[in-house]
Amino acid sequence: RKEVEQDPGPFNVPEGATVAFNCTYSNSASQSFFWYRQDCRKEPKLLMSVYSSGNEDGRFTAQLNRASQYISLLIRDSKLSDSATYLCVVNVVPALIFGKGTTLSVSS
Amino acid sequence: EPEVTQTPSHQVTQMGQEVILRCVPISNHLYFYWYRQILGQKVEFLVSFYNNEISEKSEIFDDQFSVERPDGSNFTLKIRSTKLEDSAMYFCASSRKVATNEKLFFGSGTQLSVL
Repeated sequence: RKEVEQDPGPFNVPEGATVAFNCTYSNSASQSFFWYRQDCRKEPKLLMSVYSSGNEDGRFTAQLNRASQYISLLIRDSKLSDSATYLCVVNVVPALIFGKGTTLSVSS
Repeated sequence: EPEVTQTPSHQVTQMGQEVILRCVPISNHLYFYWYRQILGQKVEFLVSFYNNEISEKSEIFDDQFSVERPDGSNFTLKIRSTKLEDSAMYFCASSRKVATNEKLFFGSGTQLSVL
């Protein structure tokens, strides 16, 4: 099964900063794309789906480039509560293929 | 929001012993999954289950692993003879259907420690 690659970080940013995460995937059969958030020793939780047209949910913006097999997540106005590991995930039905995650630490 | 529940939250076992991890998926969901995460590693797909049979499994899911839906509500993962490398967090998940943008609901996991 093909892989999902992410910069592991950590990204250490102050509150209010804008931070961007990138991800590449190698399986061209990937059918849908997501960003999940995982807090330490907890289950992954869906943050947002990612579409080619780009989509935004509050402070979070996700983008997909199918031609480059590249996915991004932008977080604006970072909050302390955004500190977590962000997982890039592709769906090769029926399985979700996870990246190893990028760790974000937001400090005051 | 409905929840997937997993028990126990922690399981400690001796190498070579059998363990059964239990999950109660969301009641109207039809597709069930097990994933695992070794400490410091990525979340890995193990198996998907639909209509009382395995629909797909990964190379990790060898003959030591089995899944069952014994009573219409529980969904279990059995590891027949545990190895040290089976130590991991095991997540159960369920979904209403299998489709490209269908949301998976994850349980809070069972931390398995093999000594």
